[in-house]
Amino acid sequence: GIQVEQSPPDLILQEGANSTLRCNFSDSVNNLQWFHQNPWGQLINLFYIPSGTKQNGRLSATTVATERYSLLYISSSQTTDSGVYFCAVGYTGNQFYFGTGTSLTVIP
Amino acid sequence: DTAVSQTPKYLVTQMGNDKSIKCEQNLGHDTMYWYKQDSKKFLKIMFSYNNKELIINETVPNRFSPKSPDKAHLNLHINSLELGDSAVYFCASSQVYRRQGGPEAFFGQGTRLTVV
Repeated sequence: GIQVEQSPPDLILQEGANSTLRCNFSDSVNNLQWFHQNPWGQLINLFYIPSGTKQNGRLSATTVATERYSLLYISSSQTTDSGVYFCAVGYTGNQFYFGTGTSLTVIP
Repeated sequence: DTAVSQTPKYLVTQMGNDKSIKCEQNLGHDTMYWYKQDSKKFLKIMFSYNNKELIINETVPNRFSPKSPDKAHLNLHINSLELGDSAVYFCASSQVYRRQGGPEAFFGQGTRLTVV
């Protein structure tokens, strides 16, 4: 299967700070998604981004498919951004391979 | 309207019992999945179904049996529950066969199963 590595594993930020989360994957994919698992356990779709750059408010993501990595940027972080951020990739659609996640804590 | 809905959200049961988790999607997707999230938060595929046909069946004890009565539903039945089955189970769906682009997955809210 496709190997997915995320870094850093843990991140603690002061409210208002910016951060960059990274996702490396081992093979060609035609699907890459970023999810936020909130403290209630829900997996929230952030971006569907197999290539290119997208922005949604304070969040943006960039995937460089040829170099097999994706970055998630969080600007002006808020306490509600806390949770675990997952990267998931796939090719055939038969399954999505998840990274081990980045646990983000934003302190006021 | 919830795109992918699972019930129940919480399930507490005794060892040895049989239980089911239901999943429904109203997105018109052709593929549905069950994922297990362990205590370390790792998400691992259990099963995937495309148009009611089993596509992926990972190394899962045969006490776990998925059933897909139609494209919009994928239920998970678990026999003889064990302590180690305690986890969060997520249902998901995607449209695999598209004119362009890869599939995008949408997840249900999860079912937290606790076996005591």
